Amino acid sequence: DAGITQSPRHKVTETGTPVTLRCHQTENHRYMYWYRQDPGHGLRLIHYSYGVKDTDKGEVSDGYSVSRSKTEDFLLTLESATSSQTSVYFCASQEQGYEAFFGQGTRLTVV
Amino acid sequence: AQSVTQLGSHVSVSEGALVLLRCNYSSSVPPYLFWYVQYPNQGLQLLLKYTTGATLVKGINGFEAEFKKSETSFHLTKPSAHMSDAAEYFCAVSDPQANDMRFGAGTRLTVKP
Repeated sequence: DAGITQSPRHKVTETGTPVTLRCHQTENHRYMYWYRQDPGHGLRLIHYSYGVKDTDKGEVSDGYSVSRSKTEDFLLTLESATSSQTSVYFCASQEQGYEAFFGQGTRLTVV
Repeated sequence: AQSVTQLGSHVSVSEGALVLLRCNYSSSVPPYLFWYVQYPNQGLQLLLKYTTGATLVKGINGFEAEFKKSETSFHLTKPSAHMSDAAEYFCAVSDPQANDMRFGAGTRLTVKP
């Protein structure tokens, strides 16, 4: 399996607190993605990156920001968590035209 | 932007029966198309992909899919279902230049003994 790890795997946080999820890949892939998975919606793209410091919004980017200071790391930040952001978050990495490799997911609960 | 519609959020088949999971896409450019499988509490694994060339694509575990441009479809099939095929399946589309991969809502496959 491709080396892509997410941390933490589980987190419970309170409404209004900032939260950062981390994604680390060892494949030197150019592209990295953050998705959220919710029942009935499949995976929805939050943000993606096409290189160091190069990021773009996906379809559900409101309330989220990302940063990529190194090829291997892609951070997702919820500036002020809300209950609607309770979800399972997946990170993925990819080289253009090839398959995307996914992390194991982070289950985030906002109470 | 691209989009994907998966017809049927739940599909149930008997063991040994044909599996057919439907996917239609929308894309303004020739797309890359993918099928992924997700087992409980795991990430997604690639089953197969279409980029260019042959429109009938074979993947792992006996699955295959056919790219039909005229129908904007990329349906997933398997001739004979096995109990271990029970999982959630996602179709995805990507613009080869933009690489912003978009997923369908998923189809949960149940296999009955």
